[in-house]
Amino acid sequence: EAAVTQSPRNKVAVTGGKVTLSCNQTNNHNNMYWYRQDTGHGLRLIHYSYGAGSTEKGDIPDGYKASRPSQENFSLILELATPSQTSVYFCASGDVGASAETLYFGSGTRLTVL
Amino acid sequence: AQSVTQPDARVTVSEGASLQLRCKYSYSATPYLFWYVQYPRQGLQLLLKYYSGDPVVQGVNSFEAEFSKSNSSFHLQKASVHWSDSAVYFCALSRPGSFNKLTFGAGTRLAVCP
Repeated sequence: EAAVTQSPRNKVAVTGGKVTLSCNQTNNHNNMYWYRQDTGHGLRLIHYSYGAGSTEKGDIPDGYKASRPSQENFSLILELATPSQTSVYFCASGDVGASAETLYFGSGTRLTVL
Repeated sequence: AQSVTQPDARVTVSEGASLQLRCKYSYSATPYLFWYVQYPRQGLQLLLKYYSGDPVVQGVNSFEAEFSKSNSSFHLQKASVHWSDSAVYFCALSRPGSFNKLTFGAGTRLAVCP
């Protein structure tokens, strides 16, 4: 069964600190995505990747960086965390070149920036 | 630019009643359309998707949705809801050729009362 695992499940960070959210998938999918979920906004795309070594900006990339060191792993990095980045973050994987294919989501990371 | 609107933030129905969750989209051509469900403390799971052909699509757990190009809508329906259907439902679209970069609506929280 397709699996996307995120860590940590919960994270409390201080303003100005560095935060790294990790995502691992065992689906062998080329595409991976980072979304944030906020009440009233649904999910919004931060960064995505077409494969190892690639990262692309999504709709709201400011304040975030991404890293895809391997097919399985995709990280989201907040170099200088701010309270506005308090949110729930979801990672997902999907098949390349198949626009109507299913995305598989992790269970999310709840980030609180104080 | 494309957008998805879910006009109902919350819907409450009685167990056994029929259900319709509304979704309107804005896009210049025919998009790919999806409904995802999020159960408490979990990631999103695909319910159903439309990308071509019959405008009525069947999904998991007896859900179905109807694509209407004239109304720019993709409403989700179920004939008889169960308490376990209580969750948040997201409508989403992607542009053909944009891989799986989804644009989500804000979500509708469904509460099924006994």
